[in-house]
Amino acid sequence: AQTVTQSQPEMSVQEAETVTLSCTYDTSENNYYLFWYKQPPSRQMILVIRQEAYKQQNATENRFSVNFQKAAKSFSLKISDSQLGDTAMYFCASWYVDSNYQLIWGAGTKLIIKP
Amino acid sequence: NAGVTQTPKFRVLKTGQSMTLLCAQDMNHEYMYWYRQDPGMGLRLIHYSVGEGTTAKGEVPDGYNVSRLKKQNFLLGLESAAPSQTSVYFCASSYQPDTQYFGPGTRLLVL
Repeated sequence: AQTVTQSQPEMSVQEAETVTLSCTYDTSENNYYLFWYKQPPSRQMILVIRQEAYKQQNATENRFSVNFQKAAKSFSLKISDSQLGDTAMYFCASWYVDSNYQLIWGAGTKLIIKP
Repeated sequence: NAGVTQTPKFRVLKTGQSMTLLCAQDMNHEYMYWYRQDPGMGLRLIHYSVGEGTTAKGEVPDGYNVSRLKKQNFLLGLESAAPSQTSVYFCASSYQPDTQYFGPGTRLLVL
């Protein structure tokens, strides 16, 4: 079965610091996509960043970037110059061509940005 | 462009009552999904639709029914609510099946 593991239940950093959230996944597929979603206290699930497995280049979106290590099956999220508004639950998720249209989710990491 | 909207935002039901959750999207997406999120967990797929008039079961379909009569709407029904269905329900839609965009969620409490 496909799995996604987030080993850090909770993290906290000072505002303006850089923080890295970890995610590992397990699959035998070649064609898949990886995502980071942010869920602030409002509960809205917001897409942060998307990575296609066949692309070697790491995806970036402004202050958010990923370190995609395909051989190690690792997909970490780096947040630079962290802001108070980054406080949220962060979920790592994967999607496979044979996943029956389902996103496979990690348990989430609660990130707290301290002023 | 409202994206994905969900109605209602919050609802309290008594055991055995029925209700329908409405999801609407204005992005002309083919794919739509219903998930539930329980405390400390990621989302689990209930049902999904790959186009108007089609529906299919996801990971946890029992106790729920869905309909997609119009491309922009995806309805989730609970025929006889149970306390185990207390959860936050998310609707999502996508142009391609991989990248899904979510609504704000509906919090449902079944007493």
